[in-house]
Amino acid sequence: DIQMTQSPSSLSASVGDRVTITCRASQNINNWLAWYQQKPGKAPKLLIYKASNLESGVPSRFSGSGSGTEFTLTISSLQPDDFATYFCQQYDTYYTFGQGTKLDIK
Amino acid sequence: QVQLHESGPGLVKPSETLSLICNVSGGAITSYYWSWIRQSAGKGLEWIGRIYASGSADYNPSLKSRVVMSVDTSRNRFSLKLTSVTAADTAVYYCVRGALAGFGTWGQGTLVTVSS
Repeated sequence: DIQMTQSPSSLSASVGDRVTITCRASQNINNWLAWYQQKPGKAPKLLIYKASNLESGVPSRFSGSGSGTEFTLTISSLQPDDFATYFCQQYDTYYTFGQGTKLDIK
Repeated sequence: QVQLHESGPGLVKPSETLSLICNVSGGAITSYYWSWIRQSAGKGLEWIGRIYASGSADYNPSLKSRVVMSVDTSRNRFSLKLTSVTAADTAVYYCVRGALAGFGTWGQGTLVTVSS
């Protein structure tokens, strides 16, 4: 099984802040990595696929980077709508998700 | 725009079989592949399995002995059966459309509680 480890597990930030979330895979996943945003009571929403590709309709303040086993999701300037939980997911060998990063208002 | 909708009992007794259906609207089930994913407080997001329109399926090794997925292309829907359920199977179950670009389309989710 490929394990996905996110850090931090929670994060407090303010509107306008730049935020970075890290995801580490237990082995090389060949950039088959996605990022999702989830709000309470809703299904996850795809933000980034193949490590750095922005899903259609997702604001450009979201970006993804990384390769091999280490990846990051960056929000360049936090907006009120961005306070949510974020998950990474590998899809190199089946699918596994990180445990999530809860982003709340400072 | 493709939409997915899960349906099935919200309460299942321990040791019985959980059965869910996902209806696909706005697009043909014969394209892409289709997954079930569940989310619980204890285990987070967990992929259960995927199925292609051909009927070929792959399952999470940790659940493989208890899972069966099937597809009905005439009704544009696919289904999940999970046998011998316990309280650990209590979760929100999502049906999801998959692609090389990740899981882009999700159902709204359905809560299944395992309890006597």
